[in-house]
Amino acid sequence: EPEVTQTPSHQVTQMGQEVILRCVPISNHLYFYWYRQILGQKVEFLVSFYNNEISEKSEIFDDQFSVERPDGSNFTLKIRSTKLEDSAMYFCASSGTSGGPPGELFFGEGSRLTVL
Amino acid sequence: AQSVTQPDIHITVSEGASLELRCNYSYGATPYLFWYVQSPGQGLQLLLKYFSGDTLVQGIKGFEAEFKRSQSSFNLRKPSVHWSDAAEYFCAVGPASGGSYIPTFGRGTSLIVHP
Repeated sequence: EPEVTQTPSHQVTQMGQEVILRCVPISNHLYFYWYRQILGQKVEFLVSFYNNEISEKSEIFDDQFSVERPDGSNFTLKIRSTKLEDSAMYFCASSGTSGGPPGELFFGEGSRLTVL
Repeated sequence: AQSVTQPDIHITVSEGASLELRCNYSYGATPYLFWYVQSPGQGLQLLLKYFSGDTLVQGIKGFEAEFKRSQSSFNLRKPSVHWSDAAEYFCAVGPASGGSYIPTFGRGTSLIVHP
């Protein structure tokens, strides 16, 4: 069964460092998402990506964040200068195989980011 | 703006007992509704979804949910809980206003199963 894969599963970094989280969405999906979950809190939407551009982003997704689909298979989330409050589980998701509503999201297992 | 409320942070049940997890939503039109489960250390797995049609939907692992428009609810049920059902359960509603199809998640309900 096709699945969304994320790397790394866990990354520890120093405050101010750049971090890149990688995702390989399901191959025929058209919509890609990043969500995050701070420990003990709700799953929060960060950004969606469709047709090689950001389609929507939340207020969390400020200038420190960027997304890219560099090679047609990977979907990356970059945090330029990490802050302590960026510590969270980051989930990648993909959906949608046609021009209609994307429907259900398929999630990866998450990348846990710890900022020290 | 759409929103999802899961009023119970924790639910404790005995194995074999029935379960109902509550979800209320706020959305201006007919929503898409989802329940996801997150086992410890795992990603989110879709249990079931409602797009249209029959308001009682069946999902995986013996779960079902009923969409009640008059109550703006989409409660998740299971007649007999197994110890392996212990996990975090998230209700989600989509699409977002403006048709961007971004599901909004509730804060989750943690299910604890006693033997």
